[in-house]
Amino acid sequence: EAEVAQSPRYKITEKSQAVAFWCDPISGHATLYWYRQILGQGPELLVQFQDESVVDDSQLPKDRFSAERLKGVDSTLKIQPAELGDSAMYLCASSILESSYEQYFGPGTRLTVT
Amino acid sequence: GQQVMQIPQYQHVQEGEDFTTYCNSSTTLSNIQWYKQRPGGHPVFLIQLVKSGEVKKQKRLTFQFGEAKKNSSLHITATQTTDVGTYFCAPLSKAGKSTFGDGTTLTVKP
Repeated sequence: EAEVAQSPRYKITEKSQAVAFWCDPISGHATLYWYRQILGQGPELLVQFQDESVVDDSQLPKDRFSAERLKGVDSTLKIQPAELGDSAMYLCASSILESSYEQYFGPGTRLTVT
Repeated sequence: GQQVMQIPQYQHVQEGEDFTTYCNSSTTLSNIQWYKQRPGGHPVFLIQLVKSGEVKKQKRLTFQFGEAKKNSSLHITATQTTDVGTYFCAPLSKAGKSTFGDGTTLTVKP
């Protein structure tokens, strides 16, 4: 069964450093999402792509976060500089079309900022 | 913006007891999805409700969408230890924006 791939699974970084996460969605899925999940809370949407275009990044802290999906396939989420409050699980999900379709989540990247 | 509230936040039950979680929105929804996240895992899609008053069943799980399309519920009959996890609703607004609630965490005592 096809799965969403994410790497790394765990990342420890010092504050003020740069960090990047990678996601490879299920083949053929046009929509890709990046979520941040703080322990005890639901996933919070950071950015949504339709193919290579951003359709929603209203919750993305653009002063330090950036995301790209250059060829409309895999995607990278970057944080620079990292802050202590960025410690969280970063989840990537994909769906075949837009958000009215079920989302398939990857295993996530657990980020710890020290 | 769209506000989603899930209640209760936590529920502890004895195995065999029933469990219900509720999801309430301040705005009318286009549809609503439900996801389950096991401890240490990632959210997994359970179901999507689209029609007003819709009821769908999956074995011991019953999902309902309110007549006004502003609320939804998930009911589990005769819980089992395999039901443990956090259940999230993810409503889709009429503007097409998906938002996850903070979930209800279910623990089941054998």
